[in-house]
Amino acid sequence: QVQLVQSGAEVKMPGASVKVSCKASGYTFTGYYLHWVRQAPGQGLEWMGWINPNDGVTNYAQNFQGRVTMTRDTSINTAYMDLSRLRSDDTAVYYCARNDILDVWGQGTTVTVSS
Amino acid sequence: DIQMTQSPSSLSASVGDRVTITCRASQSISSYLNWYQQKPGKAPKLLIYAASSLQSGIPSRFSGSGSGTDFTLTISSLQPGDLATYYCQQSYSTPRTFGQGTKVEIK
Repeated sequence: QVQLVQSGAEVKMPGASVKVSCKASGYTFTGYYLHWVRQAPGQGLEWMGWINPNDGVTNYAQNFQGRVTMTRDTSINTAYMDLSRLRSDDTAVYYCARNDILDVWGQGTTVTVSS
Repeated sequence: DIQMTQSPSSLSASVGDRVTITCRASQSISSYLNWYQQKPGKAPKLLIYAASSLQSGIPSRFSGSGSGTDFTLTISSLQPGDLATYYCQQSYSTPRTFGQGTKVEIK
């Protein structure tokens, strides 16, 4: 079946970087954009950007420009989201989701930023 | 950026009630409007895409309508399993933006 499986929870110090992976299965990885969305504790959904797995082209939300990098490895059907210079307000659950209509979601990766 | 405003922020209704949630865009988004359901501790799930198209596997008691700037999600007969927060999202332009969410509780 179509699914996205994300990497496990992370705990990071302020100023560090985190890299979250999202492995796709059950469909043609290069056929659908992958989006990243995050949700801070008790808050709503925030769109971070997308990557076209076919050619690696990305589009980032202004809020994350300069701190986020989205990449992919088509040989293993996996996308990555790298967020640098972490702050305490980056503590959130990070999701990957397929397609412009976000029809398939990963299970989420909890990133905790704390000293 | 396109702002998405949902109302109400929360509601409480009885099983069997008809529930309506509205979403307004700050500019026209044609029919590029999607609705998601998020149950506590879970990832969001797509309910409705392109304003009124029911995602496969979603019960027919969920429906969507609207175009331009004003949209509605309707649950025709609320069920206990519908306890969740519902979000609208525009896919008309980047940055993609979400409404702030509507929390649905069961009386």
